[in-house]
Amino acid sequence: GAGVSQSPSNKVTEKGKDVELRCDPISGHTALYWYRQSLGQGLEFLIYFQGNSAPDKSGLPSDRFSAERTGGSVSTLTIQRTQQEDSAVYLCASSRHGRTDTQYFGPGTRLTVL
Amino acid sequence: AQKITQTQPGMFVQEKEAVTLDCTYDTSDPSYGLFWYKQPSSGEMIFLIYQGSYDQQNATEGRYSLNFQKARKSANLVISASQLGDSAMYFCAMRERGQGGSEKLVFGKGTKLTVNP
Repeated sequence: GAGVSQSPSNKVTEKGKDVELRCDPISGHTALYWYRQSLGQGLEFLIYFQGNSAPDKSGLPSDRFSAERTGGSVSTLTIQRTQQEDSAVYLCASSRHGRTDTQYFGPGTRLTVL
Repeated sequence: AQKITQTQPGMFVQEKEAVTLDCTYDTSDPSYGLFWYKQPSSGEMIFLIYQGSYDQQNATEGRYSLNFQKARKSANLVISASQLGDSAMYFCAMRERGQGGSEKLVFGKGTKLTVNP
């Protein structure tokens, strides 16, 4: 079946602009995760959604970052007033039930802030 | 403190030989899971193998096996019969419980494996 999809694959933006990154999880997966991969920080957890539970936002680096998940499926990560340090690859993953299941990753969105 | 340590920034192996990629972890949770992912130059994270903390046997998936030594807190990945297509970054990760029953993966810094013909 189809894997996790993300769009766009690449995004170049100017400092101060807002960006939206989209993630389509694997059908039937109730848990969804966002991670960020950058040269300096490696792979970092950002946010976790599981069904209708309140998301775990503990990894979001600042209040410029927010995410939502509509209808328990598609998720959007929004970065407001982008800064150059936001440049990274943003990876989305999904799993069937969260606590015990393997996370499968999408291809990522490479964000470049000029 | 680092929770996942991968001490080999880079490794080289000859095609058809076996290679071991090291991973040590730190946790006080008796229930945890350990994962290995492969990231080729294309960027996608590909799941390779999983080991649960209560699993009695070492995990195996085709040419991949996990040498799990619980007392030493190590979970080394063994790739047998290396192929040119195995050249990639390899990440060890641990599932960690978060707020309110959530979970996340904590990753090591990765090992870049190069398979030589």
